[in-house]
Amino acid sequence: AQSVTQPDIHITVSEGASLELRCNYSYGATPYLFWYVQSPGQGLQLLLKYFSGDTLVQGIKGFEAEFKRSQSSFNLRKPSVHWSDAAEYFCAVGRATDSWGKFQFGAGTQVVVTP
Amino acid sequence: EAGVAQSPRYKIIEKRQSVAFWCNPISGHATLYWYQQILGQGPKLLIQFQNNGVVDDSQLPKDRFSAERLKGVDSTLKIQPAKLEDSAVYLCASSSGPGLERYNEQFFGPGTRLTVL
Repeated sequence: AQSVTQPDIHITVSEGASLELRCNYSYGATPYLFWYVQSPGQGLQLLLKYFSGDTLVQGIKGFEAEFKRSQSSFNLRKPSVHWSDAAEYFCAVGRATDSWGKFQFGAGTQVVVTP
Repeated sequence: EAGVAQSPRYKIIEKRQSVAFWCNPISGHATLYWYQQILGQGPKLLIQFQNNGVVDDSQLPKDRFSAERLKGVDSTLKIQPAKLEDSAVYLCASSSGPGLERYNEQFFGPGTRLTVL
């Protein structure tokens, strides 16, 4: 069965510290991988995506993610968080062969940034 | 470029009442999605339209939920009658086409928060 797991429901990080959010997936085919951010009262915004090629992907707002096929992981990182990074983050996985573009979201990780 | 518009932003109803949500996608986007996001969970796809045709409604509770996309532009999602477990945020998204290719990014609206009492 296909699944997307974000092991951390909630993370608290100090402003200026580094951040890493974990995402593990179980998919029977070549995955397309995404990270979205959802700020309060806002829709989801795409941070970055991985389709193929270089396994280290750069996104917006200073985020990056690394695809590790052997670990079935796609972890999101940011070297130095800002107070505005407080939000909920969702990992999503799609099947490369799915012509209709359906993907599955993880349950999300809530990030709190302290001064 | 205007984003995906949704209304209302908030709705509170009693169980067994009916409710409707409206979505206006980004101009020119052929593919439209409705997602349900229950508190503490990631969004779950309810229905996907390609122009005005349904391509996936496998997770839509068809006994109470219905959706339409007349003329391939705006869309409405209706719940009748509502149950307590329908309390969630309903997100609309659109993309220029189906599939997950690089150019088919899904853009999300702000959502409608539904509370069923």
